[in-house]
Amino acid sequence: GPKVLQIPSHQIIDMGQMVTLNCDPVSNHLYFYWYKQILGQQMEFLVNFYNGKVMEKSKLFKDQFSVERPDGSYFTLKIQPTALEDSAVYFCASSLGGTASYEQYFGPGTRLTVL
Amino acid sequence: QQQVRQSPQSLTVWEGETAILNCSYENSAFDYFPWYQQFPGEGPALLISILSVSDKKEDGRFTIFFNKREKKLSLHIADSQPGDSATYFCAASRPNYNVLYFGSGTKLTVEP
Repeated sequence: GPKVLQIPSHQIIDMGQMVTLNCDPVSNHLYFYWYKQILGQQMEFLVNFYNGKVMEKSKLFKDQFSVERPDGSYFTLKIQPTALEDSAVYFCASSLGGTASYEQYFGPGTRLTVL
Repeated sequence: QQQVRQSPQSLTVWEGETAILNCSYENSAFDYFPWYQQFPGEGPALLISILSVSDKKEDGRFTIFFNKREKKLSLHIADSQPGDSATYFCAASRPNYNVLYFGSGTKLTVEP
């Protein structure tokens, strides 16, 4: 099936540093998402993005978080500055359309460890 | 508040048996329920989904049974194979609102 790629697979950084997580969505998809999964807990929605804008975000999407997709390149999640509680696996997803009838395809995740 | 709950947390069945994974939800506005399969080190992959207007959806060995009144659904995996060993996530979404709410998953082990 369609593939979503995420780079890197694992990132270790010191608290307070900036980190950028990269996502290469399915080529013709128009909607992009980030989800966060803390070890042993369920995956939780962070944000979705369409046509260069954030459409919806959850309370987990703190002020230190930002997303962008400049010129059709990677869809990125930037955290600046990072905090210990940001340690989690971050999953990127993309879908062709913006309603629930459009399937969301997920990448393999980036494991972020904040020390 | 956890909007989607799954049980059991882990399940072991023998090859050839039917595995039954359960899911319940809080929000009666949810109308789309996908199930995702995840292998270690990989992202979740969409397995099968159902809309709330239906009470059953089949795809090969995988069947969703949906009970709107009780706000419950279940995934049945018939003739389970060792290759089905994975974590299964139930998710839910509201109409015209493309945010998925996930359960905490059921880890299925199929013993040969």
